[in-house]
Amino acid sequence: GAVVSQHPSWVICKSGTSVKIECRSLDFQATTMFWYRQFPKQSLMLMATSNEGSKATYEQGVEKDKFLINHASLTLSTLTVTSAHPEDSSFYICSARGDESSYEQYFGPGTRLTVT
Amino acid sequence: GDSVTQMEGPVTLSEEAFLTINCTYTATGYPSLFWYVQYPGEGLQLLLKATKADDKGSNKGFEATYRKETTSFHLEKGSVQVSDSAVYFCALFDSWGKLQFGAGTQVVVTP
Repeated sequence: GAVVSQHPSWVICKSGTSVKIECRSLDFQATTMFWYRQFPKQSLMLMATSNEGSKATYEQGVEKDKFLINHASLTLSTLTVTSAHPEDSSFYICSARGDESSYEQYFGPGTRLTVT
Repeated sequence: GDSVTQMEGPVTLSEEAFLTINCTYTATGYPSLFWYVQYPGEGLQLLLKATKADDKGSNKGFEATYRKETTSFHLEKGSVQVSDSAVYFCALFDSWGKLQFGAGTQVVVTP
C-alpha cells in the first residue's frame, strides 16, 4: 500500500512553454502533499507544501508564480512550471502524507524535466 | 537551521562486504531521524527510523543507532548484496514538521 505515482516520468519542453506534472496517491487519501526539487548529486530541496483545498505554502526563495501548485483533491496534486527556462531543468519529486499526526511521507518516483 | 550531513559517494564494494554510511546532524532538540533508500527508477522508501536517543532502527539487515552524544545516525549492514545498490538518504524531521535530507550516498555493490 501507500503508493504515489508521478506523471510524466520525464519531459522535454522548449524554453518559454509551461509543463504540468501530476502527483497521485493511488491507494490512500493524501491530506498533505510535498514537492521537492533535486539537483544532480545534491539533496532534495523542499519547494512547497500543499493541503487539499487550500493554497500551497512555498519555501523561501521559491517563486510561487513560476511554480504553480494545485491540490484539488485528496489524491491529486499538480505542479506547473510556467514559462520554463533551462535553469528549471531538474528532477522533481512529490510525496504525500495521509495522516497529519504522522511524519511518514510516501514518495513518487520523480519527474525529470529538461528545458531546451 | 536543522541540517544533515552524510558522506559522499559513490561507495563501491563487493558482495558480502560490510557497509557503513556516516550521517551527522545539527538540530535544536532531538529530532526523529530516518534513512531513506532510492532504488533505480523508484521513489524514496523509508528504510528505518529512530525517534529518540539510543534508539536503534533496523530493517532488511540495515541498522542505525541514534547517538545524541555524537549527533550521529550512521547506517550499517554486515553483508551487502547486489540488490542493495541504491542511493541512501539520511534525514531528520525538523521542528517545523519538515523532512531535511542529506545529499544522498550512492552505493554500488558488485558481484
